Amino acid sequence: NAGVTQTPKFQVLKTGQSMTLQCAQDMNHNSMYWYRQDPGMGLRLIYYSASEGTTDKGEVPNGYNVSRLNKREFSLRLESAAPSQTSVYFCATMPSGGGDTQYFGPGTRLTVL
Amino acid sequence: GNSVTQMEGPVTLSEEAFLTINCTYTATGYPSLFWYVQYPGEGLQLLLKATKADDKGSNKGFEATYRKETTSFHLEKGSVQVSDSAVYFCALRRKNTGFQKLVFGTGTRLLVSP
Repeated sequence: NAGVTQTPKFQVLKTGQSMTLQCAQDMNHNSMYWYRQDPGMGLRLIYYSASEGTTDKGEVPNGYNVSRLNKREFSLRLESAAPSQTSVYFCATMPSGGGDTQYFGPGTRLTVL
Repeated sequence: GNSVTQMEGPVTLSEEAFLTINCTYTATGYPSLFWYVQYPGEGLQLLLKATKADDKGSNKGFEATYRKETTSFHLEKGSVQVSDSAVYFCALRRKNTGFQKLVFGTGTRLLVSP
């Protein structure tokens, strides 16, 4: 089992470019999350999905969109990248109905010039 | 609102030293508390957790006790190793909120030298 996978691992964009970060899990978990990690600020929740077909805003959703394509996949899209979106992005999953451990992917390091 | 405050790092120790990383929280009700660890170049992984007051979570020689009276969940280890060098995050989750979201602290970097 691969657990939670993210692609790409690294990406450099120019201001105004768009891109999609991909996340996939083979753990059969219902809940999925996107975080960004910035120095001195810990992890901040961007969007989450309680189950297939539903998505909700987290703490810092501006400038991002998400798609819960199916139970396995949860993508994060930057429509017009800005330097303030330079960060490390983590996808995470959690089973519902008991247990409260989140399982994280390895992260995507994004630089916006 | 709910929040977690951690001591700023980095914490620099020699191998076999005693470790304490402080964590305090603010939350309505009685949340579940967690420590996550992030090794270089990796995602976070759960280190230990406690779900009610006076519970002690433990794993890999690390311990933390849920102290309701001081709203704290300090992480301790009696003898650190170089391989413990990582960033440690304290987190909470309110129970019975309908959906399980975690609130993370800012993280504390631990550097252990031989």
